[in-house]
Amino acid sequence: GNSVTQMEGPVTLSEEAFLTINCTYTATGYPSLFWYVQYPGEGLQLLLKATKADDKGSNKGFEATYRKETTSFHLEKGSVQVSDSAVYFCALRSYGGATNKLIFGTGTLLAVQP
Amino acid sequence: EAQVTQNPRYLITVTGKKLTVTCSQNMNHEYMSWYRQDPGLGLRQIYYSMNVEVTDKGDVPEGYKVSRKEKRNFPLILESPSPNQTSLYFCASSLSGGSPYEQYFGPGTRLTVT
Repeated sequence: GNSVTQMEGPVTLSEEAFLTINCTYTATGYPSLFWYVQYPGEGLQLLLKATKADDKGSNKGFEATYRKETTSFHLEKGSVQVSDSAVYFCALRSYGGATNKLIFGTGTLLAVQP
Repeated sequence: EAQVTQNPRYLITVTGKKLTVTCSQNMNHEYMSWYRQDPGLGLRQIYYSMNVEVTDKGDVPEGYKVSRKEKRNFPLILESPSPNQTSLYFCASSLSGGSPYEQYFGPGTRLTVT
């Protein structure tokens, strides 16, 4: 079945450090891939997405590239800020399915220190 | 403002006492869904609804009921809550269930069953 594996946290970085959060997936067909962010006490917000191989999603300085050959969608940011502290979820949606169900990874807590 | 609202945000109850968590969206979305979030497991889908009067089970439906009598509302019902239903619950909606439209999440309901 479809699944998402992402690196365990917490990830603790200093401000302006480079961020990578690894995400790999298993899916039949050609899924769409997403990164969601959950700030403390809030619901999930879509951060970026990619719908086909080699697409790069980007938003707020974050980016991730859909790599079909390695089944990966790693999240990166060149210079993190304290305000980026949150839980990050990688997710997929299988194309052609009957529903808009998202399959989520377990989430990675990012803590950025000043 | 386009949003998904949930009530209550926090609830502590006892085993066996029926409860309802409400979810409402003001975006005229067809698709609505409930997820639960548990540590180390990410988010898992409980039930979803493709439109009014159309609901179906997700991955973890046991112990839950839903209804969709109006397009904007999708309440989650726990007829006889048990401690293993202690979790953080999210309602989500999207324009349609058949395509990878963005899902909008509510702020979450933290439920504790003692």
